[in-house]
Amino acid sequence: DTAVSQTPKYLVTQMGNDKSIKCEQNLGHDTMYWYKQDSKKFLKIMFSYNNKELIINETVPNRFSPKSPDKAHLNLHINSLELGDSAVYFCASSQDLNYNEQFFGPGTRLTVL
Amino acid sequence: GENVEQHPSTLSVQEGDSAVIKCTYSDSASNYFPWYKQELGKGPQLIIDIRSNVGEKKDQRIAVTLNKTAKHFSLHITETQPEDSAVYFCAGGNTGTASKLTFGTGTRLQVTL
Repeated sequence: DTAVSQTPKYLVTQMGNDKSIKCEQNLGHDTMYWYKQDSKKFLKIMFSYNNKELIINETVPNRFSPKSPDKAHLNLHINSLELGDSAVYFCASSQDLNYNEQFFGPGTRLTVL
Repeated sequence: GENVEQHPSTLSVQEGDSAVIKCTYSDSASNYFPWYKQELGKGPQLIIDIRSNVGEKKDQRIAVTLNKTAKHFSLHITETQPEDSAVYFCAGGNTGTASKLTFGTGTRLQVTL
């Protein structure tokens, strides 16, 4: 009965590789988000989608491409991984755009070697 | 854009004591201020939130106060327990900017026996 799930939980890869992180929510929410949390725990929004439509793109490099096949899924694909991409990536969802509670997934720890 | 500052970065209290975490924000248009608790290895979880038309809100041992004039808000935890140990994040946002939340830098709270 997980509300927001992410796969994988851990991802270790070499520089230059391409990887994807998947996110699914079973709450029936309209809005989904990707956040990046760096080693100092700083949490910063990357993208938000509402009903599969991109709402926020927070000056993230073009190597990051979100994809929302339906409103229950928001995947994150990263091309040409760099050392600085190492972080924990959190997916979240909320009922709509009006600041209802955001429910976070368990996170994906990405390590780029 | 919005800038949210949070203090202190670390806080150690004895069990039973109170803990206070303070945040300031820069954008006077912000009207929604949630607080999230992040336990080790997990995603942030909303514990309380306040909107700009309210000065104080309480939920059992947790309370939040908001001073719109001074642009600051605070989290108060009374009768702290070991399970309150976690990282706490404040955030601010404006319902007019497509659900974007700006997070503070986090406070690591340690409740000692």
